[in-house]
Amino acid sequence: AQSVTQLDSQVPVFEEAPVELRCNYSSSVSVYLFWYVQYPNQGLQLLLKYLSGSTLVKGINGFEAEFNKSQTSFHLRKPSVHISDTAEYFCAVTNYNQGGKLIFGQGTELSVKP
Amino acid sequence: DAGVTQSPTHLIKTRGQHVTLRCSPISGHKSVSWYQQVLGQGPQFIFQYYEKEERGRGNFPDRFSARQFPNYSSELNVNALLLGDSALYLCASSLRAAGVSYEQYFGPGTRLTVT
Repeated sequence: AQSVTQLDSQVPVFEEAPVELRCNYSSSVSVYLFWYVQYPNQGLQLLLKYLSGSTLVKGINGFEAEFNKSQTSFHLRKPSVHISDTAEYFCAVTNYNQGGKLIFGQGTELSVKP
Repeated sequence: DAGVTQSPTHLIKTRGQHVTLRCSPISGHKSVSWYQQVLGQGPQFIFQYYEKEERGRGNFPDRFSARQFPNYSSELNVNALLLGDSALYLCASSLRAAGVSYEQYFGPGTRLTVT
């Protein structure tokens, strides 16, 4: 069975500092990996996705993530955060056969302080 | 183009009642998935429908059911509501049920409170 572990439940950071949100997954087959962001009282917005190819994936709002198959990780990074990046971030996994079934992690609350 | 829309935005129900939540996918999308997000947790998969057929079901009791209509909109029904059903219910649409270019687009959700 697939699973996702987000290693930090809360990450406080100062504005303009770099940030890394950690995600590890477990799966016995090839995976597709996603990062979603959820602002208060809103649905989920896709930040970026890894389906195949280059292991460094660039997304919206200056975020990027690196797929590391040997460490089964897909960590999200941003070199300089803004107050507006304050939100909940979710890592999710699926595979070709699962298609419509995304397995989500518990979420990481990113809090950017001035 | 409009994104995924869900109705109602909020609702409050009493234990034992039933509820129907509605979702309209992005135009051209034929797959709809439903997720339950309990406060402080990640979303959990409930159902996926593609071309009006159930393609997947998560670990939820039979009180949960869904259907997809010819125009690809969908309803999620929950019977005999329990306090633990209080959550944000998210609908997501995608072009297809699976594939290399798979991507899901989420609606704003329906906040259900059971008292």
